[in-house]
Amino acid sequence: NAGVTQTPKFRVLKTGQSMTLLCAQDMNHEYMYWYRQDPGMGLRLIHYSVGEGTTAKGEVPDGYNVSRLKKQNFLLGLESAAPSQTSVYFCASSYSTRKEQFFGPGTRLTVL
Amino acid sequence: AQSVTQLGSHVSVSEGALVLLRCNYSSSVPPYLFWYVQYPNQGLQLLLKYTTGATLVKGINGFEAEFKKSETSFHLTKPSAHMSDAAEYFCAVSFTGTASKLTFGTGTRLQVTL
Repeated sequence: NAGVTQTPKFRVLKTGQSMTLLCAQDMNHEYMYWYRQDPGMGLRLIHYSVGEGTTAKGEVPDGYNVSRLKKQNFLLGLESAAPSQTSVYFCASSYSTRKEQFFGPGTRLTVL
Repeated sequence: AQSVTQLGSHVSVSEGALVLLRCNYSSSVPPYLFWYVQYPNQGLQLLLKYTTGATLVKGINGFEAEFKKSETSFHLTKPSAHMSDAAEYFCAVSFTGTASKLTFGTGTRLQVTL
């Protein structure tokens, strides 16, 4: 089992460019999450999904969109990147309500 | 409001010394509690969790944590630190009715010195 994988691992964007981060899990988990990690702020939830075809906003959703067309995949999109979106992005998944989350290795994004 | 507080953004201990990392939460209903560890340039790995039952929870790598409802705390301890324990540690809480969302503390970076 690969667990939770994220693509790409690193990316540099210019302001205004767009990109999509891909998260895939092979554990048949219902719940998936996107977080951003910034120094001194812990992890903050961007968006999450409680099942295929459903998404919901988290703590810091502005500037991001997500889609969950397949149960195993959760995509995070930046339509027009801004320097404030420079961060490390983590995807996670969990089996059911209030169970532990399993994390991917992260994507380091720099927006110039 | 429901929140998680980790006291001390940096903790330094000598190898072989006790490790104590503090976590307090704010909630009227006992939540589910987790400790995660993050090694440099890696994702988060679950150390241990408390859901129900025994309040002293043992995790991987010799770590344990005790849930104290009266103190709304879930402090992480290890009797004897090892150099390999140097990492960032995050306390996380799943509050009732939040669709399994986790609220993370701001993290504590543990340094282990010789």
